[in-house]
Amino acid sequence: DAGVTQSPTHLIKTRGQHVTLRCSPISGHKSVSWYQQVLGQGPQFIFQYYEKEERGRGNFPDRFSARQFPNYSSELNVNALLLGDSALYLCASSTRPDRETQYFGPGTRLLVL
Amino acid sequence: GQSLEQPSEVTAVEGAIVQINCTYQTSGFYGLSWYQQHDGGAPTFLSYNALDGLEETGRFSSFLSRSDSYGYLLLQELQMKDSASYFCAVTGGYQKVTFGTGTKLQVIP
Repeated sequence: DAGVTQSPTHLIKTRGQHVTLRCSPISGHKSVSWYQQVLGQGPQFIFQYYEKEERGRGNFPDRFSARQFPNYSSELNVNALLLGDSALYLCASSTRPDRETQYFGPGTRLLVL
Repeated sequence: GQSLEQPSEVTAVEGAIVQINCTYQTSGFYGLSWYQQHDGGAPTFLSYNALDGLEETGRFSSFLSRSDSYGYLLLQELQMKDSASYFCAVTGGYQKVTFGTGTKLQVIP
């Protein structure tokens, strides 16, 4: 079975633009979480979705939003990009929100100029 | 809020044993996880402790003491490929997962 997939792998944007990142979970996994990882730091929790509903939200501004589709894939949207949004964006899937084992995708590396 | 502390760097010799500690302060606690991340790669799940005690998986073991808000990851028979960053992470209320800042492990010959 394929692991968690994310697209695109790399992205360059300019300040003020909007970006959409995509994630496909492992087959059979219904929970998807998004994380932001700045170089040299641990992943920071952004959102968790389960069965198309938001189940958890981290301390990120409203410029960040996400959704989950009926096939359990997910999109992360970031509006009005700032230089500080440059980071590796990771998606992780699990069978359920309370499952301790999360499987991470390779991430999307976003650079904001 | 939630915060986790771990050493920033650890160096150990190939074949030896190394312990990476993690202390946490959380408003809710369901369990402590450990992840490995090689440079340029994605985090990989290693272990999870919801109850006090030791969990063993091959060369890796993880320990939790909820009363002390403390856990550790023990790596035995270190190999060069174990050189990576190791993160502890707490699962708290509302399924929020908080990661520590990571411990960079360097294994030397």
